[in-house]
This record gives sequence, C-alpha cells and structure tokens, in this order.
Amino acid sequence: KAGVTQTPRYLIKTRGQQVTLSCSPISGHRSVSWYQQTPGQGLQFLFEYFSETQRNKGNFPGRFSGRQFSNSRSEMNVSTLELGDSALYLCASSIGPRDNEQFFGPGTRLTVL
Amino acid sequence: GEDVEQSLFLSVREGDSSVINCTYTDSSSTYLYWYKQEPGAGLQLLTYIFSNMDMKQDQRLTVLLNKKDKHLSLRIADTQTGDSAIYFCAESMNRDDKIIFGKGTRLHILP
Repeated sequence: KAGVTQTPRYLIKTRGQQVTLSCSPISGHRSVSWYQQTPGQGLQFLFEYFSETQRNKGNFPGRFSGRQFSNSRSEMNVSTLELGDSALYLCASSIGPRDNEQFFGPGTRLTVL
Repeated sequence: GEDVEQSLFLSVREGDSSVINCTYTDSSSTYLYWYKQEPGAGLQLLTYIFSNMDMKQDQRLTVLLNKKDKHLSLRIADTQTGDSAIYFCAESMNRDDKIIFGKGTRLHILP
C-alpha cells in the first residue's frame, strides 16, 4: 500500500509570492492534517480536513489556507510568503478523524528567499 | 494553554537504555503519543497511551505516565544505532482533537 505522498518535495520561493503544496493520503484514508515544522517552533498544527470540510484549525494567519477534494487529496496554500514561512510542511493522513494513528508523508521543504 | 515540553538532546551509548522525558500542561489531555522522525522522513507513530493508564510496553519500548505530575517518558531498551532520530512527545484532548507536539528530542547514539 503506498504511503502518504507530498509534492513537491522541495520548493524555493521569494517573499510576496504564493505557493500551493499537495498531499495524497493513503488509499482509504479520508482525514488529512497539515503541520509546519521549524527548528524554533517545532511541529505546529495548521489544519485538519475530513470529507472536504475543515474540522480543526491551528493558530496561523489567514494567509495559510487549505482544501480537500472528493478523492481526499488535499492542498494547502500560503499567500504573500514571508521569510518566516520557510519550513518543512508535513501532511498526515488517517482513516478518519477519530483514528489515533496518523501516517505522515516525507514533507515539502519550503525555502523563502 | 496547551504546551508540551521536552529536552532537545540526549546522548546514549549503544546497548544502554534511553529515557526520553516529556511534560505537558493540559490536565485534560486524554491521549499521549510518542512519534519518531528519522532524517529526511516524516513522523512515525511509535506508541500512544491513554491517560487512565500508567504504563504501556511494546517490545523494546516502555511508556510511563505520571498523570499527577503530567510527566510522560519513553524508555528504549538496548538502544541501537537505528534508534538515532528525533522523538516527539504529543498530546490531544480527544481522539478527534488536534495533536499538540513538543519540539522533539534528538537521540544521539554513541558507539
């Protein structure tokens, strides 16, 4: 069974640009969560989607948004990029929102110059 | 507010036991997790424990929970070079609640 895949794996953008990251969950998993990982802040929860609906949201500004499609694939978008947005963005999928075990993808490394 | 604290680094000799400690502030945390992140990879759930349990053992891993002190530990017996990774402690209030992570403890194995 294929794991969680994230594309692209690496991305370089400049301040002010916008970026879209993609996550394909494990087949059969309907819940997708996004996390931002930085050396200073560690791993922080961005949002969670289930059945195309955002269920939970972390404390990030409105520049961070996401969506989920009917096939459970999810995208997150960051607009007006700032230097501080440089991070590893991790996506995790689970069977449903009440499933303790989340399976993480390898992440997308975003560098903002 | 919710907060999870853990030390950033731990060095252990190969073959010894590793003990990674974590404290959390939210007394209503119901689920407590340990995740492992190897270089260049995402996080892998190692184990989790319910707040009504004191201990959980799974092969070389032992999780101890002191709910009174809000202290969680992960013991890895007979530490191997393959255990070298960052270990994240995490908590959530409910099964379908967001998971709050600590900053991770980097485990370094000495030969």
